[in-house]
Amino acid sequence: QSVLTQPPSVSGAPGQRVTISCTGSISNIGTGYDVHWYQQFPGTAPKLLIYGNNNRPSGVPDRFSGSKSGTSASLAISGLQTEDEADYYCLSYDSSLRGVLFGGGTKLTVL
Amino acid sequence: QVQLQQWGEGLLKPSETLSLTCAVYGGSFSAYYWNWIRQAPGKGLEWIGEINHSGSTNYNPSLKSRVTISVDTSKNQVSLRLTSVTAADTAVYYCARGYHFYFDSWGQGILATVSS
Repeated sequence: QSVLTQPPSVSGAPGQRVTISCTGSISNIGTGYDVHWYQQFPGTAPKLLIYGNNNRPSGVPDRFSGSKSGTSASLAISGLQTEDEADYYCLSYDSSLRGVLFGGGTKLTVL
Repeated sequence: QVQLQQWGEGLLKPSETLSLTCAVYGGSFSAYYWNWIRQAPGKGLEWIGEINHSGSTNYNPSLKSRVTISVDTSKNQVSLRLTSVTAADTAVYYCARGYHFYFDSWGQGILATVSS
């Protein structure tokens, strides 16, 4: 079964750096499909944060960065701010699904 | 700047059919795939399926038997039909613009509740 696995939660203090992992398989990230990241606040639609593994849409601060290696990807957030407290989701295409697959989501708490 | 506006029935009984529509304003309609994504209360995001301007569709295998996505290019609208709904289909349903397997613009979302 195709799955993108994220930690349920991560936390950090203001100013710190945190990373959120997204682990896939050879049918998605491992094949070379790009990974994308979303930020979602309660009651709102997800917002595109990173596309194509490491690209930021206009308006996204450079505190947010993405990387990919092998069957995994990571979202890094540096200089944590209280307003970064949200849910974060990774996304990739899956050849077995013949469609896109979301990770389970990670809740970021800024202590 | 593209805008996606959704509407549809928000309260259904088990076994009924969910019907939602998404209108696209601004931008190119034909250059993208138009997707439906849902999120059950307190849960993660689930891709439902997609359609392009010519009507070519792809569906999540887990929902394929109950889902139909259609397009009306004269109105720049896409629609979702989900048959035989149960409580497990209670979710916020989003339409989203798809480009190279990611979504760069989203609708506001509609909560569809299935309850007897």
